[in-house]
Amino acid sequence: GNSVTQMEGPVTLSEEAFLTINCTYTATGYPSLFWYVQYPGEGLQLLLKATKADDKGSNKGFEATYRKETTSFHLEKGSVQVSDSAVYFCALQSRTGNQFYFGTGTSLTVIP
Amino acid sequence: DTAVSQTPKYLVTQMGNDKSIKCEQNLGHDTMYWYKQDSKKFLKIMFSYNNKELIINETVPNRFSPKSPDKAHLNLHINSLELGDSAVYFCASSQLGGGETQYFGPGTRLLVL
Repeated sequence: GNSVTQMEGPVTLSEEAFLTINCTYTATGYPSLFWYVQYPGEGLQLLLKATKADDKGSNKGFEATYRKETTSFHLEKGSVQVSDSAVYFCALQSRTGNQFYFGTGTSLTVIP
Repeated sequence: DTAVSQTPKYLVTQMGNDKSIKCEQNLGHDTMYWYKQDSKKFLKIMFSYNNKELIINETVPNRFSPKSPDKAHLNLHINSLELGDSAVYFCASSQLGGGETQYFGPGTRLLVL
């Protein structure tokens, strides 16, 4: 079956540190992969996505590459800011679009 | 303009009561969803409707009943509320198909006393 395994948090970093949040998946076929971010008290919003192998999604300095050989979609940012403090969710969507799986979320706190 | 809106934002009620949460989207999407997020931030899909037809119905107690009067609205009715129903409920919408982004509402914080 399909599933998403995400690095457990919480993660605390100093401003300008490098961020990696690991995400691996199991899936039949070729799913689409997403990172969503949830700021305190808000709903989730799309951060970036990739719909096929080797695609790189990027937004706001964050990047993730769809790696079919390692079934991974790790989120990275070279220099985090206090405003990046949020919960990050890795998600998988089946090719047909009718199955969704979210990771457990990783809470990130960036301190000045 | 709010893309996906939910009402109410907060809901505090007693065990055993029946309550409804409303969701509306103005994005022209044909698919809408309900998610439940627990206190540990774990997010679980409950239902999905495409053009007013149910396409995803996860293992959810039958006290929860979604209703879609048209493709811009998906309401969630909960009967006989229990303590364990306390959570944040998110509505979302998207176009149907792989790779389509979901747009989430701000959430309804339900507390059952």
